[in-house]
Amino acid sequence: DSGVTQTPKHLITATGQRVTLRCSPRSGDLSVYWYQQSLDQGLQFLIQYYNGEERAKGNILERFSAQQFPDLHSELNLSSLELGDSALYFCASSGGGRGLNTEAFFGQGTRLTVV
Amino acid sequence: EDQVTQSPEALRLQEGESSSLNCSYTVSGLRGLFWYRQDPGKGPEFLFTLYSAGEEKEKERLKATLTKKESFLHITAPKPEDSATYLCAVQGWLQGGSEKLVFGKGTKLTVNP
Repeated sequence: DSGVTQTPKHLITATGQRVTLRCSPRSGDLSVYWYQQSLDQGLQFLIQYYNGEERAKGNILERFSAQQFPDLHSELNLSSLELGDSALYFCASSGGGRGLNTEAFFGQGTRLTVV
Repeated sequence: EDQVTQSPEALRLQEGESSSLNCSYTVSGLRGLFWYRQDPGKGPEFLFTLYSAGEEKEKERLKATLTKKESFLHITAPKPEDSATYLCAVQGWLQGGSEKLVFGKGTKLTVNP
């Protein structure tokens, strides 16, 4: 158990809909990362938050947004869903921001299926 | 742009047959190189971090090494439970302060009894 909790584990929704994925980081970790994993692309970095503020953006579509709340949990919002958005979405957390080489610990993911 | 290439894409071994997985990388200032193990439908599980060329780390049957251009994950006398996809990732200094990871596509290892 990595200590990172993601909900829900599975999500099936129709095209055009909007969903919210939730992540609780390990206790004490300030950084939260979101990654998307599809069969042909591997793990792709979407976005990082550090202590409530956006720190880095990767290949995140404009239809997607995220935020990190004062209690450090994070949510990833996906809207106007398309079939191609079907993937595994992972959240990871790390201590971050202390100038140390800190490893990231991953949750078990949310499998999103858009039909 | 930081890049990671892993080879081979897939590897089949017999139980007890040692081998190595390769991770080649290009990064603007290596902050860390990470190895993860991922089982189907699960999240990546952290294995090792390597920080500088010449560094080695071991855990049970796994040993990770690092040079200036690549890393190897050596598997000694593997068992069927070592079957998984092994992911390599790099973290660079020149990322605007971000500790994001850039992943390779992984090597899928199958160990037959």
